[in-house]
Amino acid sequence: EAGVVQSPRYKIIEKKQPVAFWCNPISGHNTLYWYLQNLGQGPELLIRYENEEAVDDSQLPKDRFSAERLKGVDSTLKIQPAELGDSAVYLCASSPGGRSNTGELFFGEGSRLTVL
Amino acid sequence: ELKVEQNPLFLSMQEGKNYTIYCNYSTTSDRLYWYRQDPGKSLESLFVLLSNGAVKQEGRLMASLDTKARLSTLHITAAVHDLSATYFCAVDLYSGGGADGLTFGKGTHLIIQP
Repeated sequence: EAGVVQSPRYKIIEKKQPVAFWCNPISGHNTLYWYLQNLGQGPELLIRYENEEAVDDSQLPKDRFSAERLKGVDSTLKIQPAELGDSAVYLCASSPGGRSNTGELFFGEGSRLTVL
Repeated sequence: ELKVEQNPLFLSMQEGKNYTIYCNYSTTSDRLYWYRQDPGKSLESLFVLLSNGAVKQEGRLMASLDTKARLSTLHITAAVHDLSATYFCAVDLYSGGGADGLTFGKGTHLIIQP
């Protein structure tokens, strides 16, 4: 079974440029998460989707960050414009969802962003 | 606001020794997870603990959960170099309608030396 797939793995951009990250969750997983991981820190939740609905985006900086999950499968996270402080790893995770779900998250390899 | 604290944040130990990593959390929950992360890699699920008193073991690692104390431990027995990594604990507030997403600790950076 294929795991969570993210692209690009690495991205280097100059500040004020836009950037987008793509995530394909594990097949059949209804719940999708975007996490931010700064160097030496634990992941922090940015947004959670149940199918195509964003059910928790309270931690997403909406002035420059946006996300979408069209058709309830793949998701895209966008930053526009990027700032120096956005340099981090952006992790996508998925879980089956539903009441019987254990809550275990399955993570992708992450997209490492460097803003110069 | 849920807070998850790990102790210690850095640990250097010798092969063959035993040690315990502690994870405290601030809000009632009976769903706790341990993940491993190697440098430059993603997070790998180690243990899923879903009830008070849950204990799970895999090789030299054993995890337990005490929901009344809001404490989980990850015990390492006879450490080997391959266990060098960063270990995260995470808590799910779980509202009953499905996983709400995990809140992570800062991680314990473990180095095991020969």
